Amino acid sequence: RKEVEQDPGPFNVPEGATVAFNCTYSNSASQSFFWYRQDCRKEPKLLMSVYSSGNEDGRFTAQLNRASQYISLLIRDSKLSDSATYLCVVNKGSNYQLIWGAGTKLIIKP
Amino acid sequence: DVKVTQSSRYLVKRTGEKVFLECVQDMDHENMFWYRQDPGLGLRLIYFSYDVKMKEKGDIPEGYSVSREKKERFSLILESASTNQTSMYLCASSLDKRYGYTFGSGTRLTVV
Repeated sequence: RKEVEQDPGPFNVPEGATVAFNCTYSNSASQSFFWYRQDCRKEPKLLMSVYSSGNEDGRFTAQLNRASQYISLLIRDSKLSDSATYLCVVNKGSNYQLIWGAGTKLIIKP
Repeated sequence: DVKVTQSSRYLVKRTGEKVFLECVQDMDHENMFWYRQDPGLGLRLIYFSYDVKMKEKGDIPEGYSVSREKKERFSLILESASTNQTSMYLCASSLDKRYGYTFGSGTRLTVV
């Protein structure tokens, strides 16, 4: 089993729709969780951290479920510019190392 | 904003050459990382460093070495480049595990 698993997609979604991704992780000691966005042939960029109580940043909402060991990302009112690969990232137990999912590709269609 | 700068966006090298990839960050971060990214495999950690002159192996260190003589600079060295090292190389730095990483724009290396 991979340490961080994501559905690779692609998710083809019409503009304006709501889309959600899940990501599961295997290390119950993980304490830090992130969603990154990566555009084609560019570096990953931090989209948002994921907090225990859940958090929202504009159209983006992130949730953490420790009992089931997954995190989720919800995008509302999707825009063409949201087309990208979304990477789920989890820290390796108590240290600084991060474990990266292989990403979920999202394509927003007009 | 933290800036992480990688010296080259694209490199083409021959098999057997020694290759140096340079990375510099400007925010006094102690933690620096080198990854490679290949289609379908995601990011894989090559080496990382928590302090000057300190280095630790990541998941795929074979064929690579690193150098951290100054806090702001973390270099990746391919001792003898091979075609299976053709990849996108990404450098990152981090202040603290709570804040995630900031990446450089990457170096796309092709070994012929």
